[in-house]
Amino acid sequence: SQTIHQWPATLVQPVGSPLSLECTVEGTSNPNLYWYRQAAGRGLQLLFYSVGIGQISSEVPQNLSASRPQDRQFILSSKKLLLSDSGFYLCAWSVRGPTYYEQYFGPGTRLTVT
Amino acid sequence: AQSVSQHNHHVILSEAASLELGCNYSYGGTVNLFWYVQYPGQHLQLLLKYFSGDPLVKGIKGFEAEFIKSKFSFNLRKPSVQWSDTAEYFCAVNGGGRRALTFGSGTRLQVQP
Repeated sequence: SQTIHQWPATLVQPVGSPLSLECTVEGTSNPNLYWYRQAAGRGLQLLFYSVGIGQISSEVPQNLSASRPQDRQFILSSKKLLLSDSGFYLCAWSVRGPTYYEQYFGPGTRLTVT
Repeated sequence: AQSVSQHNHHVILSEAASLELGCNYSYGGTVNLFWYVQYPGQHLQLLLKYFSGDPLVKGIKGFEAEFIKSKFSFNLRKPSVQWSDTAEYFCAVNGGGRRALTFGSGTRLQVQP
């Protein structure tokens, strides 16, 4: 069966510090991968998605970036965090194919920027 | 652009009460529709989905949702809620070949024993 891991689970970082959040998927090949952010009292906002190694699409311009160095690894980064980057970050995967499939979410990382 | 509206932000019910959570989307083409649930301390998980066919879809734990195309709605229902249904519920839509989901802001359901 497929599983998705995210780490760290929680993170407290000062403003201006760098960020690296990691997501890995097991039990599937060639998945689509996604990064979402969930701010308090709001829905999930898509940040990035990837259909393959090195292929990243950004949905919202911001100081975050994403990379996919391996098929089942997706990394969210920032060089300098802002207070507004605080939130709950979710990684998700879906089957890649001609038909859209549902997405499966990881446990998330709660980021607090102080 | 696609958008999803969930008008009920916080719903409080007693056990055995019936539940209906509203979801409206804006997109004129063919859509795929989803309800996700996030129980306290747990992953976001799929409750049910609609791709095509019978507009009344049944999901896990006794939930169902009805797709009404003319109303751009996909409301979630359960005839009798339990305390264990306390969670946050998110409606999501995908259409037009867009690869990712557009989520509503969520509805927090609190079921009192």
